[in-house]
Amino acid sequence: QVQLAVSGGGVVQPGRSLRLSCAASAFTFSSYAMHWVRQAPGKGLEWVALISYDSSNKNYADSVKGRFTISRDNSKNTLYLQMNSLRAEDTAVYYCAKDRSTSYDAFDIWGQGTMVTVSS
Amino acid sequence: DIVMTQSPDSLAVSLGERATINCKSSQSVLYSSNKKNYLAWYQQKPGQPPKLLIYWASTRESGVPDRFSGSGSGTDFTLTISSLQAEDVAVYYCQQYFSPMCSFGQGTKLEIK
Repeated sequence: QVQLAVSGGGVVQPGRSLRLSCAASAFTFSSYAMHWVRQAPGKGLEWVALISYDSSNKNYADSVKGRFTISRDNSKNTLYLQMNSLRAEDTAVYYCAKDRSTSYDAFDIWGQGTMVTVSS
Repeated sequence: DIVMTQSPDSLAVSLGERATINCKSSQSVLYSSNKKNYLAWYQQKPGQPPKLLIYWASTRESGVPDRFSGSGSGTDFTLTISSLQAEDVAVYYCQQYFSPMCSFGQGTKLEIK
């Protein structure tokens, strides 16, 4: 079945880096825009970044612009989030999500999420 | 940036009764060329990722019970659960995807009275 498997979370010190991965299966990954969304403990959903199906367009939330980089490898059906200069306020569960259609759309499939804790 | 504001923040409804959650966007999410409202609703239960319920403001996702319905246009939207079931206890979020930099409401926690 259509699935997104997120990995790469963990505990990291402030100022360090971490890379998250999101492996897609059972759909044509290369046809869909993909997103990262995060949720701080006990808080709501915050959109983080978008990448178009062909990587030609990338957008970021102001809170992560200049520190985070979204990328994808369509040959590996995998989405990435490179997180640099991490701060305590980046502590959250990070989800990847798929657009419902090949145009910008709602998010119909979500990964289970991976916890990132930024702490000294 | 488009700001999404939900009301109320929390809601307690008796089983079998109607639950209504409101969502207001800071600017219209109605795209004039296709007459579609770029507004979705999600349900999130503890320890789980969000689940898509409604897209285009009023289209139910496949497999979603018909007691869930969405309405509204422009800047004002509503999610209605016609007859609350125990399994509907969750946090509900609206989302605009009119802008590529989408945004979510702060969430509404729905409980049983």
